[in-house]
Amino acid sequence: AQTVTQSQPEMSVQEAETVTLSCTYDTSESDYYLFWYKQPPSRQMILVIRQEAYKQQNATENRFSVNFQKAAKSFSLKISDSQLGDAAMYFCAYRGKGAQKLVFGQGTRLTINP
Amino acid sequence: DVKVTQSSRYLVKRTGEKVFLECVQDMDHENMFWYRQDPGLGLRLIYFSYDVKMKEKGDIPEGYSVSREKKERFSLILESASTNQTSMYLCASSLIKGATEAFFGQGTRLTVV
Repeated sequence: AQTVTQSQPEMSVQEAETVTLSCTYDTSESDYYLFWYKQPPSRQMILVIRQEAYKQQNATENRFSVNFQKAAKSFSLKISDSQLGDAAMYFCAYRGKGAQKLVFGQGTRLTINP
Repeated sequence: DVKVTQSSRYLVKRTGEKVFLECVQDMDHENMFWYRQDPGLGLRLIYFSYDVKMKEKGDIPEGYSVSREKKERFSLILESASTNQTSMYLCASSLIKGATEAFFGQGTRLTVV
């Protein structure tokens, strides 16, 4: 079974600085999808960024980018120019290409210090 | 704008009660999911459904059942609520094919006393 591990329960960063959240996963599949979700205090889960495993290029969405290392099974999220609105729980998730369900990590709580 | 709506944001129930959590999506998605969220454990899948009247067990189905009579509606049922089912419950939906994301409801915080 696939597993997703987020080893940082909490992180904090100064406003305007850069922070990287770690995620590793375990799978025997070669084709799959990876996601980062954000859950602010409102509890509404929002997709931040997605990566398809067959694409070597790292995905980027404005201030958010990933470092996808397929061989190492690592999928970290970099947030540049951190803003107060980035404060939230962040979840890494995995979905096999032929599967329907998402497998989530434990989450990382990100605090932004003004 | 896509929408997944859960019937309650907060719910307090007594031990032994039968509890229904309702979820409706307006995106014509085939898949619907129920997750449970606990601190330090992330989101764990309880059940999911890929079609009307179809269901599959997730990682923690014990003590729960589900119902999907219509494509847009997916209900989670706690047959006899217990205190260890106090948690946040999240409903989600997605398309079957492609790298599509799952869309989530706003969550129901259930307390069993």
